[in-house]
Amino acid sequence: AQKITQTQPGMFVQEKEAVTLDCTYDTSDPSYGLFWYKQPSSGEMIFLIYQGSYDQQNATEGRYSLNFQKARKSANLVISASQLGDSAMYFCAMREGRGAQKLVFGQGTRLTINP
Amino acid sequence: DTGVSQDPRHKITKRGQNVTFRCDPISEHNRLYWYRQTLGQGPEFLTYFQNEAQLEKSRLLSDRFSAERPKGSFSTLEIQRTEQGDSAMYLCASSLDRASLGAFFGQGTRLTVV
Repeated sequence: AQKITQTQPGMFVQEKEAVTLDCTYDTSDPSYGLFWYKQPSSGEMIFLIYQGSYDQQNATEGRYSLNFQKARKSANLVISASQLGDSAMYFCAMREGRGAQKLVFGQGTRLTINP
Repeated sequence: DTGVSQDPRHKITKRGQNVTFRCDPISEHNRLYWYRQTLGQGPEFLTYFQNEAQLEKSRLLSDRFSAERPKGSFSTLEIQRTEQGDSAMYLCASSLDRASLGAFFGQGTRLTVV
């Protein structure tokens, strides 16, 4: 079974609109962390935001927020006021288990911001 | 530049040759990771070091792959007897001990085996 599922291969959004990128995860471990990364065409993975499984509040970092719905096992990324520079691949990832180190990534969503 | 540095950025090699990639992590980061990313996929975990100790290896890391971090600073990833299926982007990342901090990735080494 897929640990991380991103069901949107591509998203097209008008500049300045908000966009939600979907991510669902599968784990039976009560301790886990969820991450979102951005990968522009240059190839570098850029860390955006983190949500721990025990965190009570949704994580926010500037224009990025994580809509964490634990019972549904979803961790959607919301980007407010999108900009042309937001065009990139976006990956959801999970680190599963206390003390675990490896990240398991989804297949990504390609976001294109139109002017 | 104080980010994660990888060298070379691109490597083209003939099948059967050995290749070695280098990663220089962010200087104060004690954790170092290698991932492999093929076209259209998310990165896949290969191995993890804490300081100089290699603590976890993926089953993806066959006997032809070896990674080292001899002094707990830079790391090398060697692939022996390369195969066409090894063609991919090899990403290195580093991090501190805090779980909430994401790993910082380098720009990767793109390997093409012809």
